Amino acid sequence: DAMVIQNPRYQVTQFGKPVTLSCSQTLNHNVMYWYQQKSSQAPKLLFHYYDKDFNNEADTPDNFQSRRPNTSFCFLDIRSPGLGDAAMYLCATSRGDYSYEQYFGPGTRLTVT
Amino acid sequence: AQKITQTQPGMFVQEKEAVTLDCTYDTSDQSYGLFWYKQPSSGEMIFLIYQGSYDEQNATEGRYSLNFQKARKSANLVISASQLGDSAMYFCAMSLRKGTYKYIFGTGTRLKVLA
Repeated sequence: DAMVIQNPRYQVTQFGKPVTLSCSQTLNHNVMYWYQQKSSQAPKLLFHYYDKDFNNEADTPDNFQSRRPNTSFCFLDIRSPGLGDAAMYLCATSRGDYSYEQYFGPGTRLTVT
Repeated sequence: AQKITQTQPGMFVQEKEAVTLDCTYDTSDQSYGLFWYKQPSSGEMIFLIYQGSYDEQNATEGRYSLNFQKARKSANLVISASQLGDSAMYFCAMSLRKGTYKYIFGTGTRLKVLA
């Protein structure tokens, strides 16, 4: 049973054309995360939500925005994608307790042409 | 500063042999959790094993065990009886009780299992 779902799995967008990636969860977890991961590198945290409280990482470009309209859904908006934004985008959830693991979705691989 | 260090960018192991992937961590917090994740080429991060800072026994999950040496601040992953399907990227991660729900990842180790 899928617990963290990401759509689409593959996304191709044009340089400068806005794109939205979506994530949903059936775990009812308080915390949702968006990571950017480039080839063979560690995931880089972009932002996370505790419920509706939004936390932006200091080095997350302004080009990246996020919305969490309810507990189950979270969106990543890239307003004007550049070639450097091509990456795997991972959504994850957690219970909000340091002694529990994160649950990851399968990721969305973004290509920018 | 809170940090995870994985010093082995790549490792090879023969099928059916055991392999140890190194992880050291740095934190001044007393309450923390340590995790290992596997990431196959498909991209999904798969949780493998967890060790709490107050756990006195090393964690085990099937063929995975975590060699936790608190004084040395190390949390090495041991995979016994390696299988071809174990070929993947492995990440060590840490979470802190005071860490505002964030998880700190190491740079990963790419493991290749040889037939």
